[in-house]
Amino acid sequence: DAGVTQSPTHLIKTRGQQVTLRCSPKSGHDTVSWYQQALGQGPQFIFQYYEEEERQRGNFPDRFSGHQFPNYSSELNVNALLLGDSALYLCASSQDRGRWYEQYFGPGTRLTVT
Amino acid sequence: AQSVTQLDSQVPVFEEAPVELRCNYSSSVSVYLFWYVQYPNQGLQLLLKYLSGSTLVKGINGFEAEFNKSQTSFHLRKPSVHISDTAEYFCAVSDLGPLAGGGNKLTFGTGTQLKVEL
Repeated sequence: DAGVTQSPTHLIKTRGQQVTLRCSPKSGHDTVSWYQQALGQGPQFIFQYYEEEERQRGNFPDRFSGHQFPNYSSELNVNALLLGDSALYLCASSQDRGRWYEQYFGPGTRLTVT
Repeated sequence: AQSVTQLDSQVPVFEEAPVELRCNYSSSVSVYLFWYVQYPNQGLQLLLKYLSGSTLVKGINGFEAEFNKSQTSFHLRKPSVHISDTAEYFCAVSDLGPLAGGGNKLTFGTGTQLKVEL
């Protein structure tokens, strides 16, 4: 049973560019959440997708957007990249029903903005 | 709004010694509480959770935590640590979940680096 997978593993972008990160949830999970973890900090919630819609959103600007596909996989898009967007981006999946409280995290995508 | 405070950014401890990692939370409603561990260059792994019931919860790798509502704390303990426990530990609180009409957003503390020495 594959867990949560994320791609790419590492990414280097220039200020002002756009980036797309991808996440495949654990088998049987239908909810995907994205978190940003800056160096030396705890993860911060960006948003959560369920039934292909954004259900919750954290305190992040509109430059951060996402999408969930019918197969429950998800993308995180960041436009007009800033140096401060450099971080580890974590995807977590869970079930909306059943054990909803258990979130499984992927290994993350390390984004470096130069 | 919910918040989590982990007072200790780093905790050094010798192998086979006991350890306690402190976590305090703030919330206007009942919460669900979690401890996650993050090994270098990896994602987060759930150690244990408190949802309801017994205030002492046991998790993986010999860890346990005690929920104290009056002190709004959820401290993590292990009676005897091993070198392999060296990692970053995060305390988190969750929304009440989809059954309560919401999501399950996690709010994390800033983490405690546990360094186990020989």
